[in-house]
Amino acid sequence: KNQVEQSPQSLIILEGKNCTLQCNYTVSPFSNLRWYKQDTGRGPVSLTIMTFSENTKSNGRYTATLDADTKQSSLHITASQLSDSASYICVVSPGNDMRFGAGTRLTVKP
Amino acid sequence: ETGVTQTPRHLVMGMTNKKSLKCEQHLGHNAMYWYKQSAKKPLELMFVYSLEERVENNSVPSRFSPECPNSSHLFLHLHTLQPEDSALYLCASSQQFNQPQHFGDGTRLSIL
Repeated sequence: KNQVEQSPQSLIILEGKNCTLQCNYTVSPFSNLRWYKQDTGRGPVSLTIMTFSENTKSNGRYTATLDADTKQSSLHITASQLSDSASYICVVSPGNDMRFGAGTRLTVKP
Repeated sequence: ETGVTQTPRHLVMGMTNKKSLKCEQHLGHNAMYWYKQSAKKPLELMFVYSLEERVENNSVPSRFSPECPNSSHLFLHLHTLQPEDSALYLCASSQQFNQPQHFGDGTRLSIL
């Protein structure tokens, strides 16, 4: 069982709507958690990085939250755009290591 | 432009061929990484180089052979691959080991 579980596996929403992606992890100890966006045919691009003491971080219309007690993170996308269609990958670091989730595939339709 | 360039972008090869993937970073970073990305599976870390020294090799088959001649260049030499090796191979770099990484756009590898 992967130590970083993302849900849903895929999601389809209409343009302009909000959505929330989930990341649950069992990785321990905890150093930081990152969200990446990966467009089709491209490499992942970092959206946010959070350490243990941070419980929310925003990057434009993307807001990541972290609950280190329950080992859960979410990525909220506000007022979605067609360009938000991509895979979103959660990465948790226990220290000198990185554990990847399988990603959520988001499709935004007009 | 991410500052990490991978070539070729696509590669089709037979199981008996020998080919190499190339990665170049223009960010002045000290650590470079190779990942394998298969459909619907998490990224798999293959190799890590820090200051041109290999620091991690996650039980990767010997048919994959990395080379890091300097801190800006990373190669992945391929030999006698199997059909299950077909995947997207991503290169990344970071300022120091395990810091936030910048990824290239990958090489899509297909083994016939």
